[in-house]
Amino acid sequence: GQNIDQPTEMTATEGAIVQINCTYQTSGFNGLFWYQQHAGEAPTFLSYNVLDGLEEKGRFSSFLSRSKGYSYLLLKELQMKDSASYLCAVREGQAGTALIFGKGTTLSVSS
Amino acid sequence: EAGVVQSPRYKIIEKKQPVAFWCNPISGHNTLYWYLQNLGQGPELLIRYENEEAVDDSQLPKDRFSAERLKGVDSTLKIQPAELGDSAVYLCASSLDYGLAGYTGELFFGEGSRLTVL
Repeated sequence: GQNIDQPTEMTATEGAIVQINCTYQTSGFNGLFWYQQHAGEAPTFLSYNVLDGLEEKGRFSSFLSRSKGYSYLLLKELQMKDSASYLCAVREGQAGTALIFGKGTTLSVSS
Repeated sequence: EAGVVQSPRYKIIEKKQPVAFWCNPISGHNTLYWYLQNLGQGPELLIRYENEEAVDDSQLPKDRFSAERLKGVDSTLKIQPAELGDSAVYLCASSLDYGLAGYTGELFFGEGSRLTVL
């Protein structure tokens, strides 16, 4: 079956670094995505990993280990606006195949 | 360029009433998805279209839910009759399943239609 696990909630303070972990067990693998979703808004694309290693994009980085079925999203220099839900999603098949989402991690950033 | 457009943003109905949601994807995107998102949960796929063909509708409760994408562009999702448990956000997304080298094929989401069934 399909299973994507991530922590339900995390808290952090402004300026800090936070790492959100995601583990997955899926029947196929063709990429892992991270999305950010503010309350009442659409999920927006943050990052994509298909090969092992780290992808860096500004304050956000994402890591993938396919052999371990593991990914993390690293957020640096946290800002209040980073308070949101972070969704880990896996694509099992070719491009165009639907993404399978985890339940999301709600991050609260305080001053 | 306009993003994925959905309407209505909010809908409140009584149980057993019908309801319909509309989605206009990003121009040129051939794949369209309807997801359901309950509070505090991740999106769950209801149906996926490639152009006008429904290629994955295994999670769509076909006794009460129906969808169409007649011209391969915009799409409607209908519930008839609605039940209390259908209260959720219905998200539409679109994507291109081809692109230049390095293309991720990410999904672009609309803001969703929030349904409340009383």
